[in-house]
Amino acid sequence: NAGVTQTPKFRILKIGQSMTLQCTQDMNHNYMYWYRQDPGMGLKLIYYSVGAGITDKGEVPNGYNVSRSTTEDFPLRLELAAPSQTSVYFCASSQRETQYFGPGTRLLVL
Amino acid sequence: GESVGLHLPTLSVQEGDNSIINCAYSNSASDYFIWYKQESGKGPQFIIDIRSNMDKRQGQRVTVLLNKTVKHLSLQIAATQPGDSAVYFCAENPGNQFYFGTGTSLTVIP
Repeated sequence: NAGVTQTPKFRILKIGQSMTLQCTQDMNHNYMYWYRQDPGMGLKLIYYSVGAGITDKGEVPNGYNVSRSTTEDFPLRLELAAPSQTSVYFCASSQRETQYFGPGTRLLVL
Repeated sequence: GESVGLHLPTLSVQEGDNSIINCAYSNSASDYFIWYKQESGKGPQFIIDIRSNMDKRQGQRVTVLLNKTVKHLSLQIAATQPGDSAVYFCAENPGNQFYFGTGTSLTVIP
């Protein structure tokens, strides 16, 4: 099993650009999550999904969108990138409580 | 929002000594807690968890203690090794979402 994979590893965006962060898991987990981690801080939940076709907002959803058309994939969309969205983004999946994290995507918005 | 905090942002220990990392949580409805380890440039990795009906849980070289009266949990690492150097996060789960603390950076001195 590859576990949770994320692409890209690193990206630089200009203000106002859009992009999609990809997340895929091969563990057949129902639950998937997107977090952001700012320097020296803990993780903040952006969005989560309890199964295909179902998504819910987390603590910090503004400026982001998600979709969950399949069990495996949970892409995160930034429509109008802002400097405040500079962060490291982690995707995670779980079947019960224990979450398995991907390696992260480092995003820089200039 | 939830408040999960750590008493010490940094901790340095001598190799072979025991480490204790503390965490305070604010939501008395939280019934599940996890400790994660995050090495530089990687996603968080599950270490150990505990439910609110327990006071103590032991793993391999790690022990988690939960004090619900004062809303405090701790992670004890026995015989700390250089490979234990990382940032450690506690997370609480009062429902569908996890709330993470800001993390404690553990440095092991050889």
